Parts: sequence; structure tokens; C-alpha cells
Amino acid sequence: GAGVSQSPRYKVAKRGQDVALRCDPISGHVSLFWYQQALGQGPEFLTYFQNEAQLDKSGLPSDRFFAERPEGSVSTLKIQRTQQEDSAVYLCASSLSVYNEQFFGPGTRLTVL
Amino acid sequence: LAKTTQPISMDSYEGQEVNITCSHNNIATNDYITWYQQFPSQGPRFIIQGYKTKVTNEVASLFIPADRKSSTLSLPRVSLSDTAVYYCLVGDDRGSTLGRLYFGRGTQLTVWP
Repeated sequence: GAGVSQSPRYKVAKRGQDVALRCDPISGHVSLFWYQQALGQGPEFLTYFQNEAQLDKSGLPSDRFFAERPEGSVSTLKIQRTQQEDSAVYLCASSLSVYNEQFFGPGTRLTVL
Repeated sequence: LAKTTQPISMDSYEGQEVNITCSHNNIATNDYITWYQQFPSQGPRFIIQGYKTKVTNEVASLFIPADRKSSTLSLPRVSLSDTAVYYCLVGDDRGSTLGRLYFGRGTQLTVWP
């Protein structure tokens, strides 16, 4: 069956550009999570959706980061005015509910030059 | 959050048994111990979880002593394809805390031919 997909898989941006990263969760999964993984580190929680509601955005590192899931399915993580420290792999995960197993996508590797 | 400590890296050869130990001195009574595996260019995936004593599945075994302040992930007869980062998490029965997964740096296991 189809798993979590993310696009693009790789993104190179010049400092100051805006980027949008897409996540397609497993069909029927209510919960959706975004994580940021810096090189050599474990994934770090960014934000969480229950259907279309963003219930926790405590992990977003700055107000340049914005996530949405308008119809409770596909989600987009947007980063405005990218900085070099934003370079990382951005992972999306979905689950049937917040307390069920999270299934991860392959991630989007963002490189900011 | 219960903090976990595990070795940064380990090396092994094909066919050997590998044991990765994780310390979690502040584990709470209702916490489970969960291990995730992450291959290069992929998101993490759940491999095993336990509360006490020993748990075994088709991938690994998990040994938890009576005081639960540490745990050991055991991979029997590793192959090159077991090269990955292994994360130890403490939380609910999927390793999460309030639904969020908190990874540390993990242990990079490299299996050599």
C-alpha cells in the first residue's frame, strides 16, 4: 500500500528565498507531524495536526516557519526567507490518531546556499 | 521528558550479534521503552518496544532489567543491511510523549563485510 510521500525529495534554495515542502499522508490518517532533522542529529518535532487543526506548533523554530493542512489531508510546510541554518531534512509522519504508530515519509532534504 | 543516553556509534562485522545499550535513569512508572531504526535517506521506523524483562520479534530482542534504568537492543547475526541509526525513546507504547516523538542523536551502527 502507499506510504507517506513527500515532495520534492531535494530542494536547493538561495538564502532569502521562500520554499514550500509537501507531504501526502497515508489515506485516512488523522494525525500528521512535521520533524526537522539536522545532519548527524535525530529528528526534532516541529508541529502537529489533527485533521485540519494545527494543535501544536511549539517546535517551529521561528515565525518564518508556517505549516498548513487546509483539507485535513495534504500538508505543506513553508519556510520564508530561508537561512543557512534551515538546511536540514524535513520529515513528515502520519498516524491513525495521535497515539498510534507514526509512519514516516522519506523526507525532503533542503539545502540553503 | 525522560532523557536517554546511548553510544554515538558502533561497528560490527557481518554475522556477529550486536548489543546497543541505552540508559534512561529517570524513566517513569508508566513509560515504555521503544527503539526506532533509520536507514539513510529514509524516515525512522518502529522496530521494537517493551516495558520490562525481554521482548523478541522478527527483527530484534529487547532486554530490560528489573530497575528499568537501562535497556539493550540486541540484533542477532547482523548483515550489511542492518547499517543504520538506532534510536532509543522513552514514552508511551509507541515511544511518544503526548503523541510527539523525541529522538536523541541515536547510535550509528556500521556493519562491515
